[in-house]
Amino acid sequence: NAGVTQTPKFQVLKTGQSMTLQCAQDMNHNSMYWYRQDPGMGLRLIYYSASEGTTDKGEVPNGYNVSRLNKREFSLRLESAAPSQTSVYFCASGYLNSPLHFGNGTRLTVT
Amino acid sequence: RKEVEQDPGPFNVPEGATVAFNCTYSNSASQSFFWYRQDCRKEPKLLMSVYSSGNEDGRFTAQLNRASQYISLLIRDSKLSDSATYLCVVNIVTYNQGGKLIFGQGTELSVKP
Repeated sequence: NAGVTQTPKFQVLKTGQSMTLQCAQDMNHNSMYWYRQDPGMGLRLIYYSASEGTTDKGEVPNGYNVSRLNKREFSLRLESAAPSQTSVYFCASGYLNSPLHFGNGTRLTVT
Repeated sequence: RKEVEQDPGPFNVPEGATVAFNCTYSNSASQSFFWYRQDCRKEPKLLMSVYSSGNEDGRFTAQLNRASQYISLLIRDSKLSDSATYLCVVNIVTYNQGGKLIFGQGTELSVKP
């Protein structure tokens, strides 16, 4: 019973490199989300997708792009990584007005 | 002003104590509310949903006051295993953007023997 699967679990990038974080859910949820979490702060919403084919900015979208590839998959791309993007990234999915199910997180370090 | 604000914490309490967490939200379009628990930077896990009439699950009681835009979580008879960070979550729904779930910054609880 996979739930929400994120890859990779860990990543180290140099400043200016690009990468894509992958997320897939097998629960047929309409909505998917990307959050980042930094020490002393809660989760901050980067982008979300209320349904297949739509994406919207959250609280901290700058420096990121997303793609809702299909109902199952929602990817997050860093085109030119910066040290300020060092963080733990969580993907989540759910139905409208229902609780979220989270992936295990991706720990990203940008040097 | 952040859309969801929580007590800054940390809360350090002895076993058996009662502890209350408070949360306020600023967006009146908020439609649903939750408390999550997070251990050691692992993924957050749902503790309980918060209903308008208030709800209880064992030692945990959640309250919602829509007029004051305020949510609370009460933990009675706290256990060592309750030590974690507690996150208040608000679902803000707009007709053209669906729902987005916004988290408070979290309140850390440490229960001591």
